Amino acid sequence: GESVGLHLPTLSVQEGDNSIINCAYSNSASDYFIWYKQESGKGPQFIIDIRSNMDKRQGQRVTVLLNKTVKHLSLQIAATQPGDSAVYFCAETGGYQKVTFGIGTKLQVIP
Amino acid sequence: DTEVTQTPKHLVMGMTNKKSLKCEQHMGHRAMYWYKQKAKKPPELMFVYSYEKLSINESVPSRFSPECPNSSLLNLHLHALQPEDSALYLCASSQGQGEGGQPQHFGDGTRLSIL
Repeated sequence: GESVGLHLPTLSVQEGDNSIINCAYSNSASDYFIWYKQESGKGPQFIIDIRSNMDKRQGQRVTVLLNKTVKHLSLQIAATQPGDSAVYFCAETGGYQKVTFGIGTKLQVIP
Repeated sequence: DTEVTQTPKHLVMGMTNKKSLKCEQHMGHRAMYWYKQKAKKPPELMFVYSYEKLSINESVPSRFSPECPNSSLLNLHLHALQPEDSALYLCASSQGQGEGGQPQHFGDGTRLSIL
C-alpha cells in the first residue's frame, strides 16, 4: 500500500507485482517530463522521459503516462524486482533547462 | 559507474574554510548543473551553465561561487558556509540547448558537512 510519511511517501509492493508511482506537477507550461531513480548513496539515474505532445511512452518494463488535463504523471513498473527499490522522482521542465523535481516516492519491494 | 565524476565524495569543513567541489564529464555535453539535495528531499537547482556561460542562478547565496573553466569541468567554490548548507551536492550535465528538454546525467554527489 501507499503511505505518506513526514517527509517521503512510501509505496510497498510484492516482488513480481506491478508498481504505479504517481506525480502531480504544477506548471501547466511544462513541456518535458522525466522520471529518475535514486538509490541510496547515488545520484539520480534517468529512467524514461516524455514530451507534452505524447500521453504514453514505453520502455523496458517501464511505462510513463501523462495527463495534461489534470497535470498528472505516472510511472508504471512491470514485474517489480528487488533492484527496483529506490526513491523515484518525477521532474518537469517548463523553461530553458530549468528542471523542477517532485517530492519523490520511496519504492520498497517485498521479497 | 556514472559518466559524471564528482570529487571529493565526502567533505567536512569548518565555517571559515574555503573549499571547492569539482565535477567532470566527457560526454561532450554543453550544459552543466549544480543541485543541492537535503535528506529525503528532491534535488534543488542552484546553477546552470550553458556553453560555459552562467545561464541560471537560482538566487543562491554568494558564499557559493560556481565556475566553468571549460566545457568538461564545473567547480563550486565554497566560502564561509553555514551549518544549514550541509547537504548532498549533485552535478549534472546534458547535451545543451536544443529543441525541448533533454535528460540530465548526474554524478553521485559530494556529501558536505559543515561543522
